Amino acid sequence: EIVLTQSPGTLSLSPGERATLSCRASQSINSNNLAWYQHKPGQTPRLLIYVASSRATGIPERFTGSGSGTDFSLTISRLEPEDFAVYYCQQYGNLPLTFGGGTKVEIK
Amino acid sequence: EVQLLESGGGLVQPGGSLRLSCSASGFTFNNYAMSWVRQAPGKGLEWVSAVSGIGTATYYADSVKGRFTISRDNSKNTLFLQMNGLRAEDTAIYYCAKVLTSVTRTQPGKYCFDSWGQGTLVTFSS
Repeated sequence: EIVLTQSPGTLSLSPGERATLSCRASQSINSNNLAWYQHKPGQTPRLLIYVASSRATGIPERFTGSGSGTDFSLTISRLEPEDFAVYYCQQYGNLPLTFGGGTKVEIK
Repeated sequence: EVQLLESGGGLVQPGGSLRLSCSASGFTFNNYAMSWVRQAPGKGLEWVSAVSGIGTATYYADSVKGRFTISRDNSKNTLFLQMNGLRAEDTAIYYCAKVLTSVTRTQPGKYCFDSWGQGTLVTFSS
């Protein structure tokens, strides 16, 4: 099983600041099959990024995914009020599918 | 617009059974693999199970293998999760999720999810 470790656990930032979230895999992810989701309380998870760097439909350009192999990151260039949420990475290169533990982006 | 509506959650005793359903609309159901993902209280997301578009291939997390069975009825656009031998650690919100790309564009088991239902809660009574 591929274990995904997300860091930091919590990121305290102000609107307008840049957020950089990390996702590290215990082994290389096939074909960079790595996705990022945003999850707000009481809402459903929202797909942001797939195959490490492709934005899903309707996702603003301020969200950028990068990385390959075992190290991946999600960058939010300028935080908007609606971006404060929990973010999860998920690998789908190998079964079982696995999620990281999440990074909470909170208002400072 | 894709809509996924789960039902069937509730209060259950350890060792009990539940059958979750997910009614889908807004897309060609049999063209997409489907999955269940859960979230325990205060915890992160955990993949549970997935099924191919025609239902012949199924996949499970080790934590539920042998206890849960995923299936689908493409004539009714409905996904199911039969849960037997339930344990306290199965307490969670269970989400139904649609795979991003159609079956012709997706390698078996290589699934990420672009649409999610609102979830159905499974809890335990002591």
